[in-house]
Amino acid sequence: SYELTQPPSVSVSPGQTARITCSGDALPKQYAYWYQQKPGQAPVLVIYKDSERPSGIPERFSGSSSGTTVTLTISGVQAEDEADYYCQSADSSGTEVFGGGTKLTVL
Amino acid sequence: QITLKESGPTLVKPTQTLTLTCTFSGFSLSTSGVGVGWIRQPPGKALEWLALIYWNDDKRYSPSLKSRLTITKDTSKNQVVLTMTNMDPVDTATYYCAHRLGQGDYHFDYWGQGTLVTVSS
Repeated sequence: SYELTQPPSVSVSPGQTARITCSGDALPKQYAYWYQQKPGQAPVLVIYKDSERPSGIPERFSGSSSGTTVTLTISGVQAEDEADYYCQSADSSGTEVFGGGTKLTVL
Repeated sequence: QITLKESGPTLVKPTQTLTLTCTFSGFSLSTSGVGVGWIRQPPGKALEWLALIYWNDDKRYSPSLKSRLTITKDTSKNQVVLTMTNMDPVDTATYYCAHRLGQGDYHFDYWGQGTLVTVSS
């Protein structure tokens, strides 16, 4: 079955840049999406179609794609950005999956 | 304003069938391209994609759970129902329903608050 691989954890200091990666064989042909999830809350879409930002999402959130890896970048990280982040995409047949999630810690 | 809310039992016994209802407002499942999906999350673990139904009754299932899942819609009631058979303690999770704007576009832009289902005898 298709898998999206994320690092379990990323740590950054406030004001620094956090980069969270997501790897999958079908990513060159399928868009990726990113969600932020804070404890006890439902996920919130922060990036769609690799790099598009929904309305209401701060500009410090951005996405990029290169080959089989997509990256969520948070510039000027703030304490409120501490959360779990999940990527989502699909394999070549359209079967959808989520990545294993990355816990972002703001030191 | 789009809202979704999950409802159903909080506790089910092993081997029983789980029936969850997603009641939504702010959109119609008769609108071209629109879909409603189900996603679950075991305590402390990652999100897992389960199933999705589109406006035209196109249904998609997770291959690993396909034999146990059924998704249906009632457009007149603004509801989507997910049934999962033969429940097991490993199915203990928060179950979310979520809105999708277009077919072929895989993101969920609005989510319900989730409902915790515990499987235990």
